[in-house]
This record gives sequence, structure tokens and C-alpha cells, in this order.
Amino acid sequence: GNSVTQMEGPVTLSEEAFLTINCTYTATGYPSLFWYVQYPGEGLQLLLKATKADDKGSNKGFEATYRKETTSFHLEKGSVQVSDSAVYFCALSDRGGGADGLTFGKGTHLIIQP
Amino acid sequence: EPEVTQTPSHQVTQMGQEVILRCVPISNHLYFYWYRQILGQKVEFLVSFYNNEISEKSEIFDDQFSVERPDGSNFTLKIRSTKLEDSAMYFCASSRVRVQETQYFGPGTRLLVL
Repeated sequence: GNSVTQMEGPVTLSEEAFLTINCTYTATGYPSLFWYVQYPGEGLQLLLKATKADDKGSNKGFEATYRKETTSFHLEKGSVQVSDSAVYFCALSDRGGGADGLTFGKGTHLIIQP
Repeated sequence: EPEVTQTPSHQVTQMGQEVILRCVPISNHLYFYWYRQILGQKVEFLVSFYNNEISEKSEIFDDQFSVERPDGSNFTLKIRSTKLEDSAMYFCASSRVRVQETQYFGPGTRLLVL
């Protein structure tokens, strides 16, 4: 079956530090890959996505590249801000494999200190 | 920007009671979904709905769950006889089409079963 593995948190960084949150996946088909973010007290918001190998998704300074050879979709940001503190979820959609539902990782809690 | 809305934001109920969680998907979307997130765990897919019928359901979505689109805008999740383990955050999502398409999530309903 499909699965997503994310690095365990919490991840604590200082403002302006470089961020990497690792995500690897297993899928039977050719998935699309997503990063969702959940700010405190809010729902899931789409941060970025990539639909095929070597695609790079980007938004709000965050980037992730779909690497089929390493089955990875690591999230990066060059300089984090306090406002980036949230829980980040990596997810895949394997609709080509016949699945409607997204498969999520466990989430990584990111804490940015001033 | 259109968004998915959910009501109520919080619900407390007694074990064995029925609850109905409500969602208004984005108006031109055709696919609707329910997910749940038990505290500290992964976001899990429950069910997808298209053309007034269930498209796919997970193992979690047993006979105590049902979904309905009672009118042109609402999409509901009913839990017939709640159990303690149903306590979770329930997210509704919608997408415009099925294949490779982004799902947009609502803010969630936090259900507490006592």
C-alpha cells in the first residue's frame, strides 16, 4: 500500500535558519505529492505540490522537488520566520493507482524562535 | 478566495449519541471527502463522494458512518452511535476533478465523545 514517512518533530530553529523537513514515500502508481501546513487552531492549507518527477513546487519561500529515484519530496526554506511555526504534513495522491484519498505523513511540528 | 467551511467548529457529545458534521465545499467542486485526525496521529482518509454516491471508503468508514449531500451545497458526515474512540478532528475537503487534483480542506470540527 501507499505510505508517507516524515522526520519526527518537533524541529526547533532560530529565525533566519535554513529549514529541511524530510519526506519519503511509497506508492503503487505515479503519485502527486503535496505539502500541507496547519497553523495553530486552523485547518490544513495547501503549501505546494508537484505532480510528476523532477517537478519543483514552491510557495512563500518554501520549495520541494519530486525525486522519483529517491522517492523523496523534502521541504526546504532558506530563511525561516517566526510566522512559519506550524505543523507540516507531507502527502501523496495516488489516483492513477485508483485511490481517492490522500495518504499523509504523521506531520512535523516546526517551532521557530526569535 | 473560495474556501471550504465546516460547522460546528467544536462538538461535545455523549457516547452512543448520533452526531452530524456539516461541510460546505467550494461551489464548483465535484468531489468531496472526509478525513479524521485523532490527537497526535496522522490525518486519515475516511470517504470520498462523487455524483451523489460514495466513490471510495477506507476501512475506518464502517456501518456507523454515513455521508449525504442533502442539497446543492451541504455535505454531511453522520456518526450513528458515537464511541469514545471517535473523538478526533474531522476535516472535510473538496476538489474540482478527481485525477491529480488538489484537495482543499476546511478548518475542521473537533469532536469530543464523553
